[in-house]
Amino acid sequence: KNEVEQSPQNLTAQEGEFITINCSYSVGISALHWLQQHPGGGIVSLFMLSSGKKKHGRLIATINIQEKHSSLHITASHPRDSAVYICAVPLSNFGNEKLTFGTGTRLTIIP
Amino acid sequence: NAGVTQTPKFRVLKTGQSMTLLCAQDMNHEYMYWYRQDPGMGLRLIHYSVGEGTTAKGEVPDGYNVSRLKKQNFLLGLESAAPSQTSVYFCASSTLYSGTGASYEQYFGPGTRLTVT
Repeated sequence: KNEVEQSPQNLTAQEGEFITINCSYSVGISALHWLQQHPGGGIVSLFMLSSGKKKHGRLIATINIQEKHSSLHITASHPRDSAVYICAVPLSNFGNEKLTFGTGTRLTIIP
Repeated sequence: NAGVTQTPKFRVLKTGQSMTLLCAQDMNHEYMYWYRQDPGMGLRLIHYSVGEGTTAKGEVPDGYNVSRLKKQNFLLGLESAAPSQTSVYFCASSTLYSGTGASYEQYFGPGTRLTVT
């Protein structure tokens, strides 16, 4: 069974700062997911990546398959980025349709 | 498209009562999932379905039953609610992502907050 660890658990930063959230997992995977949970509770998928780097607006996700590690970066952070960011990977080596989730990083951006 | 919808949004039950949570998706996705989210823990998979008429157990299936009679609907039942089932329940659906490294992007419903007293 794959295990997922995220760090930090909580992060508070000033508006405009560069943010990094980390995710490590224990078993080799085909793809890693980053999700965002809004303060109201809704969950949306941000990225799904299996190698290298992906960019969407001010969000950048990178993955190092050999080191079993991924990072989510936010450039020029804004208060609307305040949310819980969740990393997820396939639950096991058998079948990619089931995911296991990290406990999330709660990000607060202060104006 | 509405995406994934869940009903109800909130519910309070007494211990021993039963209820059914309904999840509906209009994206023609093959896979559907029920998760629970508890403070300090990641989302945990309760049951899932890989197609109409099929269901399978996830990580924490005890005390729950599911049915998928129609492709667009996935029902989660609690036959005899217990305080330990107080949680936020999320439904999700997915389809095969046919890009590099086959994986399944999941689309989530808004959640149901259930309290069992």
